[in-house]
Amino acid sequence: AQSVAQPEDQVNVAEGNPLTVKCTYSVSGNPYLFWYVQYPNRGLQFLLKYITGDNLVKGSYGFEAEFNKSQTSFHLKKPSALVSDSALYFCAVSANTGGFKTIFGAGTRLFVKA
Amino acid sequence: SQTIHQWPATLVQPVGSPLSLECTVEGTSNPNLYWYRQAAGRGLQLLFYSVGIGQISSEVPQNLSASRPQDRQFILSSKKLLLSDSGFYLCAWSPGQGNTIYFGEGSWLTVV
Repeated sequence: AQSVAQPEDQVNVAEGNPLTVKCTYSVSGNPYLFWYVQYPNRGLQFLLKYITGDNLVKGSYGFEAEFNKSQTSFHLKKPSALVSDSALYFCAVSANTGGFKTIFGAGTRLFVKA
Repeated sequence: SQTIHQWPATLVQPVGSPLSLECTVEGTSNPNLYWYRQAAGRGLQLLFYSVGIGQISSEVPQNLSASRPQDRQFILSSKKLLLSDSGFYLCAWSPGQGNTIYFGEGSWLTVV
């Protein structure tokens, strides 16, 4: 069965510092991996995805994520955090072996302090 | 470009009253459509998904139902709301399974 884990409920980082939001997954086939961001009282917004190709994926708002097959991870990163990056972040995975059903993680709340 | 609209944005309903949340997608055809519920600003629970008109799959047994009367219209309904139905409901679409899912702005339902 497919699963995705976001081991941290909350991540705190100072503005200007690099940030990492962790995600690990479990699928039996090739994973399709996604990151979404949710601001208060809003719907989720797509940030980036990995399907195939270069392990480092660049997305919106300066975010990037690195696919690591051996560690089954897809951590979200940004070199320099902004206060406006404070939000709820979701990792998601789907795979052809799971009928392409998308599974979302529980979410990680990012706080960026000025 | 594709857009997704859902309404109403907020709704306060008494226990036992009916519910209808509506969602439409523009700029695409034959999308996969989804209804999610999010409680307490955290994880998403998939309620229903549809791969075509009249084709609805339910993920969680409950007193909610969904319908897809047109290709780009998805409706979430209930005949009698429960207090536990309160939450943030999100409609979403994707070009197909395994593709990026695009979300609407959500509907806050408070059952009193």
